[in-house]
Amino acid sequence: QSVLTQPPSVSAAPGQKVTISCSGSSSNIGNNYVSWYQQLPGTAPKLLIYDNNKRPSGIPDRFSGSKSGTSATLGITGLQTGDEADYYCGTWDSSLSAGNAVFGGGTQLTVL
Amino acid sequence: QLQLQESGPGLVKPSETLSLTCTVSGGSISSSSYYWGWIRQPPGKGLEWIGSIYYSGSTYYNPSLKSRVTISVDTSKNQFSLKLSSVTAADTAVYYCARQSVTTNDAFDIWGQGTMVTVSS
Repeated sequence: QSVLTQPPSVSAAPGQKVTISCSGSSSNIGNNYVSWYQQLPGTAPKLLIYDNNKRPSGIPDRFSGSKSGTSATLGITGLQTGDEADYYCGTWDSSLSAGNAVFGGGTQLTVL
Repeated sequence: QLQLQESGPGLVKPSETLSLTCTVSGGSISSSSYYWGWIRQPPGKGLEWIGSIYYSGSTYYNPSLKSRVTISVDTSKNQFSLKLSSVTAADTAVYYCARQSVTTNDAFDIWGQGTMVTVSS
């Protein structure tokens, strides 16, 4: 059972837009930055979004992030077949004395 | 370009200690801007943070694994290591090492390719 809740799967057609939600609590998303990771089949995760809505160098602006309260959302526009992957949200949880990195359970994106 | 590479045995017996090393190349592990972490992913499942270390040796661990985990750093070799004791089949996973950056507020911005560790007799 993951600390952060994501839908198991989402799907959309090529060229369309999709959003992936990530729900947490005040001890994690509510008071910390959210990051998003893309994991293509058989590969390591790759940082897509950090600080809720910033993109590392080389990440296209088709990928966007937002946060409101204790939830965060990843948006992907202009879907491509190459976007088929698992997507994970991540943040830090401050409920214990020391910070604890937590992730969502992952969302599988299918581009139909 | 900074790269991370995990290494270690792919098969560990139950009750024994899992030991992995992450070698950092193309940059220094001793930079004050980074922490270095271990994350694992059981087959078909999600990501689980194990713990992280600063070049000075300061560590913090996932509370659920803390009693079994030791992460250490060897700055002379530009490496950091993971030891997980008393392993069971539930510890079977792909183990990743990754960098946390101050500039990304501790998001994991660079990852190793991962190494599969199977716990079995």
